[in-house]
Amino acid sequence: GESVGLHLPTLSVQEGDNSIINCAYSNSASDYFIWYKQESGKGPQFIIDIRSNMDKRQGQRVTVLLNKTVKHLSLQIAATQPGDSAVYFCAEIHPYGGATNKLIFGTGTLLAVQP
Amino acid sequence: DVKVTQSSRYLVKRTGEKVFLECVQDMDHENMFWYRQDPGLGLRLIYFSYDVKMKEKGDIPEGYSVSREKKERFSLILESASTNQTSMYLCASSFDRGYEQYFGPGTRLTVT
Repeated sequence: GESVGLHLPTLSVQEGDNSIINCAYSNSASDYFIWYKQESGKGPQFIIDIRSNMDKRQGQRVTVLLNKTVKHLSLQIAATQPGDSAVYFCAEIHPYGGATNKLIFGTGTLLAVQP
Repeated sequence: DVKVTQSSRYLVKRTGEKVFLECVQDMDHENMFWYRQDPGLGLRLIYFSYDVKMKEKGDIPEGYSVSREKKERFSLILESASTNQTSMYLCASSFDRGYEQYFGPGTRLTVT
């Protein structure tokens, strides 16, 4: 398997429990945030995004919370399933200027779902 | 669905070889990106392109170059591969100035 999960903080949860994955971001001027999921052997996959003018956004079984005061982002997964086992990355958009913005990725958290 | 494909999943090359990594996207995206991913370091941006024949350096461009001759294709070139370029290489594309980037499956390159 791929080694992307090595050296990462790990969150171990029981199947059916809720998971909360946390992320601290660096730039108070960042105006857009994304959560990605990366399964073993695959590229990162978009899960959910949130803009800086929002505090909360919900998707299917996932909720992202943004606390701009402390520059903190969290991803909540309801009723965690074995298929949720993966590395989860947060990413922030720096207002880079020019034609393209720049995504800054966190180092990731490995979510391990126990049956 | 957006599809980003990379030419190889696994590649083994010798030190000093010239290496080409190809990436193709089928959604007419303006922006394309090359990252490398290493344990403990996360994803680091090597180069990106926001239009055909345009390129911009990312955070770690040294030892790499890129080519974007067609909108759908973005190539990463290692002119003279070195062992410290052993890594997972990920290509991504986006429509809207870098928001919501779509990733390919990655190429695991080993340089011996």
